[in-house]
Amino acid sequence: NAGVTQTPKFQVLKTGQSMTLQCAQDMNHEYMSWYRQDPGMGLRLIHYSVGAGITDQGEVPNGYNVSRSTTEDFPLRLLSAAPSQTSVYFCATSGDRGPFLFFGEGSRLTVL
Amino acid sequence: KQEVTQIPAALSVPEGENLVLNCSFTDSAIYNLQWFRQDPGKGLTSLLLIQSSQREQTSGRLNASLDKSSGRSTLYIAASQPGDSATYLCAVRGIQGAQKLVFGQGTRLTINP
Repeated sequence: NAGVTQTPKFQVLKTGQSMTLQCAQDMNHEYMSWYRQDPGMGLRLIHYSVGAGITDQGEVPNGYNVSRSTTEDFPLRLLSAAPSQTSVYFCATSGDRGPFLFFGEGSRLTVL
Repeated sequence: KQEVTQIPAALSVPEGENLVLNCSFTDSAIYNLQWFRQDPGKGLTSLLLIQSSQREQTSGRLNASLDKSSGRSTLYIAASQPGDSATYLCAVRGIQGAQKLVFGQGTRLTINP
């Protein structure tokens, strides 16, 4: 039982490149979300989804796209990376059996 | 807009001490408050969750309290151990919408043997 799996763990991009951060969960959780963590700023919500086919914006959605075609997967797409998107990204999920969030181990992204 | 603040940013204490971590929030209309632990290079692990109708929650050596009217929560750690060294974050969920948590910046705790 893997829980929440994020790939890749580390990535270096050049400004303007695109990429997708993957998040997969095997707990059949309906709720999935993406946060970014920056020094001194805590975690901030980027996008979230309450089920397959349903997504919504969080606090800092600009520059990021998401989709949710299956319950298991919630990829985060950076269309044109900028240095301001250098951060650690966390995927978190929650099921209907309780309010606790389960986090992946994070993806560290550097944009040069 | 909800804002969550944790003071101090870092705390270092000798092993065995009891300690208190603080969390304050600006909007008392919350659904619940959670305390998380984050080890270096790792994700977050939920420690305790307090519903808005509750005053405190306990798990082992950890006790979290909530005073919604004053916008404060504390995490009490009894008989601290070196293994408690980590960053502790609090997060509040508003009463509307899905699980959109607002996080504090965290307190980095070091327990010295």
